[in-house]
Amino acid sequence: DTGVSQDPRHKITKRGQNVTFRCDPISEHNRLYWYRQTLGQGPEFLTYFQNEAQLEKSRLLSDRFSAERPKGSFSTLEIQRTEQGDSAMYLCASSFGASNIYGYTFGSGTRLTVV
Amino acid sequence: DQQVKQNSPSLSVQEGRISILNCDYTNSMFDYFLWYKKYPAEGPTFLISISSIKDKNEDGRFTVFLNKSAKHLSLHIVPSQPGDSAVYFCAASSRLIQGAQKLVFGQGTRLTINP
Repeated sequence: DTGVSQDPRHKITKRGQNVTFRCDPISEHNRLYWYRQTLGQGPEFLTYFQNEAQLEKSRLLSDRFSAERPKGSFSTLEIQRTEQGDSAMYLCASSFGASNIYGYTFGSGTRLTVV
Repeated sequence: DQQVKQNSPSLSVQEGRISILNCDYTNSMFDYFLWYKKYPAEGPTFLISISSIKDKNEDGRFTVFLNKSAKHLSLHIVPSQPGDSAVYFCAASSRLIQGAQKLVFGQGTRLTINP
């Protein structure tokens, strides 16, 4: 297992289009998180899954955003009707057990540019 | 509101000397504090953490100090090496449902180690 994988690495889309990103966590990790990082800022929490259940969503996650984790394995994050303000790095992370001590394992992210 | 702040966007240090990165927080309910390191085109990588009940944690060249009364933490890197050049994020941990942790990140400090 080589860590958390995210696909695609880069995505350029026109405003108004829908986009979907995929995250494959470390296989034994039951917890999966999505974060968003804009230029000059640290990552901001979007949502959290434990196995297939989405247990927490940030108010940053507007109704144009939806995330799923079918069967508790990979996860997808979809943005509908993209806006220029959605341009950011979308980071996925996974953890198992006491993540507060060891932190999460982050993927390399998907960089979204909305033109 | 910015609950975790890193007030220095950049820091330049001579190789072999000590690097000190600072972080301030506002919420006394955070239970863990973590430092992440980020290289370009990669996701953040966990470096070191400290429980809110401790005041120091050391791991090799890296030491984190926590001053709860001042709501301040710092990361010391001794001696600094060229490979330490990266963006460093301070993060604070708060609990989510079922024991997971949500991380609140600072804006990051870009550390440059000069030969």
